[in-house]
Parts: sequence; structure tokens; C-alpha cells
Amino acid sequence: AQTVTQSQPEMSVQEAETVTLSCTYDTSESDYYLFWYKQPPSRQMILVIRQEAYKQQNATENRFSVNFQKAAKSFSLKISDSQLGDAAMYFCAYRSGGGATNKLIFGTGTLLAVQP
Amino acid sequence: DAGVTQSPTHLIKTRGQHVTLRCSPISGHKSVSWYQQVLGQGPQFIFQYYEKEERGRGNFPDRFSARQFPNYSSELNVNALLLGDSALYLCASSTGQGAYGYTFGSGTRLTVV
Repeated sequence: AQTVTQSQPEMSVQEAETVTLSCTYDTSESDYYLFWYKQPPSRQMILVIRQEAYKQQNATENRFSVNFQKAAKSFSLKISDSQLGDAAMYFCAYRSGGGATNKLIFGTGTLLAVQP
Repeated sequence: DAGVTQSPTHLIKTRGQHVTLRCSPISGHKSVSWYQQVLGQGPQFIFQYYEKEERGRGNFPDRFSARQFPNYSSELNVNALLLGDSALYLCASSTGQGAYGYTFGSGTRLTVV
């Protein structure tokens, strides 16, 4: 079975600085997708960034980028120029590339605080 | 365009009661999934429906059931509520099978007393 591990329960960053959130996963599959979701106090899960396992190039979305290390099964999220609105719970998630069920498997989350 | 809408936003039930949670996906989205998020944990998969057929079920007891209607909206039903069913229930929709990610609603906060 696939598992997702986030080893940092809480992180803190100064406004305008850069922070990296860690995520590792375990799978025997070669085809899969990885996601980072943000969950602010409003509770709604918001998709931050997505990575396809077969793509070697790291995904980037504005101030958000990932460091995808397939051999090491690592998928970290880098937030540049941190803003107060980035404060939230961040979840790493895994989705199999094939199969009839395309469920998301989530880690336990990292609570990010942004200090002004 | 409206996002994924869930109702109600909050509710309180007594142990042993039944509850129905509702979800309306984004227009054009044919897949709906349900997740349970216990406080301090990541969401856990409960069900996925695609084109009104069940495509997956997580490790939840038979007290949990769901269905998807012709307009692609969905209901999650939980019978014989237990205190441990207290959680945030999230609904997510996608156009296809979710390869491009899912759009989540704001959830229903269920408290069982």
C-alpha cells in the first residue's frame, strides 16, 4: 500500500523569506501523480501544485515550486517570497496513475506560520 | 462559476442517529469523492463515484454509504453514528478521474454527542 509521510508538523517563516516543506512517499508503482494542497482556516483544500511522476522537470506555479526526487521518493514544496496569506496547513498527496480507483492518499500535514 | 458546494456546513447529531451529507460538484464534473478528516490528521478516502457508478471504497464500515445522482450531485449517508464519526467531511469533484487534481468543497463539520 502507498503511504505519504510529512515529518514536519509545524514550520515558521518570516514574511518575504523562503521555506521548504518536506514530503516522502512509498510506492511500488511507476505511474503516479503527486500534489500539494493548502488548507486555510476556511477548511477548503486548495490545489497548490501538481507533479506527474514520468516528468523529470520540477513543477512550478508562480512562487511555489517542487523538488521531485523520484529515486528517493521525495517531493518537497518550496515557497518563495512568503506572504501572510500563505499561512495554512499544507498536505502532500499521492494518486495512483492507473487502476479503477483514483483516490488521494494524504500525509498528516504541516502547519505553516508566516511571521510579519 | 460556483465551486463545489456542500451542505450543511455544520451539524450536531446524537449517537445512534443517522446523517445525510450533500455535495454538488462543479458544473461539468462527473466524478465525486468523499473524504473524512479527523482533527489533526490528513483526509481519509471514503468513496469515489464516477458517472453515477461507485469506483472505489475506502476502509470504512458498512454504516457509511453514498450515491451519485443523474445530475452528478452526491449524498453521503452514515447510520448508527458513533462519537468517532465526529470529523470534517470533504467532498471533491473532478472532470475525469482526477489526474489534474480535485476541487474540494469547504466541508461539513459533523459533531456526534
